Amino acid sequence: DIQMTQSPSTLSASVGDRVTITCRASQSISNWLAWYQKKPGKAPKLLIYKASSLESGVPSRFSGSGSGTEFTLTISSLQPDDFATYYCQYYNSYYTFGQGTKLEIK
Amino acid sequence: EVQLLESGGGLVQPGGSLRLSCAASGFTFSNYAMTWVRQAPGKGLEWVSGISDSGGATYYADSVEGRFTISRDNSKNTLYLQMSSLTAEDTAVYYCAKGSVATMFKGHFDYWGQGTLVTVSS
Repeated sequence: DIQMTQSPSTLSASVGDRVTITCRASQSISNWLAWYQKKPGKAPKLLIYKASSLESGVPSRFSGSGSGTEFTLTISSLQPDDFATYYCQYYNSYYTFGQGTKLEIK
Repeated sequence: EVQLLESGGGLVQPGGSLRLSCAASGFTFSNYAMTWVRQAPGKGLEWVSGISDSGGATYYADSVEGRFTISRDNSKNTLYLQMSSLTAEDTAVYYCAKGSVATMFKGHFDYWGQGTLVTVSS
């Protein structure tokens, strides 16, 4: 089974900061990777699919990159609404989520 | 506007059963795979089960195989999850999610419901 590992588990940052979250796959997954934002009590929200494609309606400050085994989600300038937990997901031949990265206010 | 509305959650005793429903609107339901994802308290997201567009193919995580049954009624635009032999480890918020394609395991999840809480406790 393919395992997805996110780092860091928790990230403290300030409004306006540029932040990067990393997701590593235990074996190559090409670009079959999505990123979701999850806030308490809310439905998960798709941000990025196919590693770097921005979902319609998602602000352009979000971007994704990578292929193979290493992927990143970057928020170019943190906004107050961005403090949440972020999950990567592998979605070809099976579905596997990373353990999540909680983005906190510093 | 795509909407997914889960219902059927609640408190159930260990060993009991529960059926979740997910009413879909705003898209052609019969054209897309659908899935259930859960989040236990303080934990991350876990894929639970999925079903192809026609309902002809179903899939389960090892943790629920043999205890949960996924189904769909395309005439009613509704997804179901029949859960039995429930244990405390099944306590979670259950989300239904729309696949981006008709086939399971070939697309991401582009829309999610708000979730329904299942609590397994005596």
